[in-house]
Amino acid sequence: QRVTQPEKLLSVFKGAPVELKCNYSYSGSPELFWYVQYSRQRLQLLLRHISRESIKGFTADLNKGETSFHLKKPFAQEEDSAMYYCAFPPGGTSYGKLTFGQGTILTVHP
Amino acid sequence: NAGVTQTPKFQVLKTGQSMTLQCAQDMNHEYMSWYRQDPGMGLRLIHYSVGAGITDQGEVPNGYNVSRSTTEDFPLRLLSAAPSQTSVYFCASSYRTGTGKKLFFGSGTQLSVL
Repeated sequence: QRVTQPEKLLSVFKGAPVELKCNYSYSGSPELFWYVQYSRQRLQLLLRHISRESIKGFTADLNKGETSFHLKKPFAQEEDSAMYYCAFPPGGTSYGKLTFGQGTILTVHP
Repeated sequence: NAGVTQTPKFQVLKTGQSMTLQCAQDMNHEYMSWYRQDPGMGLRLIHYSVGAGITDQGEVPNGYNVSRSTTEDFPLRLLSAAPSQTSVYFCASSYRTGTGKKLFFGSGTQLSVL
């Protein structure tokens, strides 16, 4: 059971669409999360797939066929520049711990 | 509420030295955990605790000890520091129920072992 983020670095220009990739290897029904770490800020939850919500313009859809949970935003902003982590609770039950992917550093250029 | 507080923010050790990274939370969270963040490796779980007096190992526990005598505190001890333990360390806490899978993180400790 693991999540893979294939891109260490991702650069886009302001206003361009952005997609941060996350692929999972998991038996059963996964529960997946995106965490974000802005410069000089704490790592924080961005969104969770079970909520089917949009936070700061980001959405993420669980695609069981492709075993993916990609994070998308139609128009990137400079303030989106950050480190993004995909994560899931190993074994399905959190107990306060998550397994994280390798992380993707997103840079949005003006 | 201060949330999750980690001290110190920065630390430089020599190989073989010992030290304790402190972590305290004031949200009455049952669960607490320690991660290390390394470039290209993401965050990896070191140890975690589901309540006072209960701890368990994570993915990379070797070289680290923990204890949890109170709900609020979860210190991480390096008994004999090694250069491979140079990393950024994060403490996190969460509720047992409801949104228990939402982790609240501290601001991190940047540790260098020479």
